[in-house]
Amino acid sequence: QKEVEQNSGPLSVPEGAIASLNCTYSDRGSQSFFWYRQYSGKSPELIMFIYSNGDKEDGRFTAQLNKASQYVSLLIRDSQPSDSATYLCAVTDSNYQLIWGAGTKLIIKP
Amino acid sequence: GAGVSQTPSNKVTEKGKYVELRCDPISGHTALYWYRQSLGQGPEFLIYFQGTGAADDSGLPNDRFFAVRPEGSVSTLKIQRTERGDSAVYLCASSQTAAPGDTQYFGPGTRLTVL
Repeated sequence: QKEVEQNSGPLSVPEGAIASLNCTYSDRGSQSFFWYRQYSGKSPELIMFIYSNGDKEDGRFTAQLNKASQYVSLLIRDSQPSDSATYLCAVTDSNYQLIWGAGTKLIIKP
Repeated sequence: GAGVSQTPSNKVTEKGKYVELRCDPISGHTALYWYRQSLGQGPEFLIYFQGTGAADDSGLPNDRFFAVRPEGSVSTLKIQRTERGDSAVYLCASSQTAAPGDTQYFGPGTRLTVL
């Protein structure tokens, strides 16, 4: 059973601090890794994707991938109340289909 | 259109009825995906189309579920003899190609409630 695991939260972070979201996956053959944000009652929207080991930065967001540890994370710097949402980790399987985690609910406290 | 659209936005039906959910992808996107999402869960893959053909339907839970995309654009997800357990938000996504890692853009979803 291919799995993507995330802590459901909620993760509460003060405004302006760094939010760290983590995800582990079971399929060693996974090649592509995605972070989506989902506001309550809305559909997921892509935040970042990462394919290679290491860090990838885009504005306030940094994705980190460690394939040896089967671990991917998302850091959000200078957290804003508008970042409050559920963050979904998705990983491609060997058929290139996305396997999704259940999401981590992030709350940014003003 | 500018984005993926889905109709209806909400559908309430009775157990045993037949429903159709429609997805209109972003113009020019060849790949189209159907997912369903239950409360507190991530999306669950159902089926994806590359053009008109179902390239992978391994996520369809049983033979009550069927999807078509006859002209390679709009897709319809069909559910026969609905059950209460089918209640969920059904999400459609499209991507320009089916290449691994190609960004999937999601529609607003159809909330299906089976009474």
